[in-house]
Amino acid sequence: DQQVKQNSPSLSVQEGRISILNCDYTNSMFDYFLWYKKYPAEGPTFLISISSIKDKNEDGRFTVFLNKSAKHLSLHIVPSQPGDSAVYFCAASAKGGTSYGKLTFGQGTILTVHP
Amino acid sequence: DTGVSQDPRHKITKRGQNVTFRCDPISEHNRLYWYRQTLGQGPEFLTYFQNEAQLEKSRLLSDRFSAERPKGSFSTLEIQRTEQGDSAMYLCASSPVAATNEKLFFGSGTQLSVL
Repeated sequence: DQQVKQNSPSLSVQEGRISILNCDYTNSMFDYFLWYKKYPAEGPTFLISISSIKDKNEDGRFTVFLNKSAKHLSLHIVPSQPGDSAVYFCAASAKGGTSYGKLTFGQGTILTVHP
Repeated sequence: DTGVSQDPRHKITKRGQNVTFRCDPISEHNRLYWYRQTLGQGPEFLTYFQNEAQLEKSRLLSDRFSAERPKGSFSTLEIQRTEQGDSAMYLCASSPVAATNEKLFFGSGTQLSVL
């Protein structure tokens, strides 16, 4: 069962515009959410995260929104730059006990930003 | 900070052979994780160490898989009697024990191809 889903395999946007990547989850126990970026031949790199006690977290051009009632989160990149072209993974965890760092990832969305 | 290092970067083996991968985490990080990523999917959790103690193992980790972290520093992941279904990217990650979020630092991975 896919507990974290990214239903858009790819997204193409123009440089300077907004990129919106979406993620849905099914497990109500998830209380911490992260976005990772991955370039070819490299491991995933942490981008931004949000705790379930918040509905928004912002870091420079990146903002993550969390809608707990809809079990949905999104990553906004404004303005998009060609260097943002990568695979973006949404991940979730249920804190506590021995599960620290046990992340459940979505399938990823390939973002392409055109100059 | 030299990052998480994994060796080898690529491994091609024949079905039935044993393979071993090594991971060197960031030096001050107590927690070490192994994930597996197949084509078109996000990373999947395999196992997790805090210092030398293996605290959690996924159901994905069959009895052909064994992971060790003998001195609480580097870790090895061994796959015995490899099968074609074992072909994947094996990712290692680490995090400090004092982390208040679940931000993991990933290595570049070992790409395994079983022929």
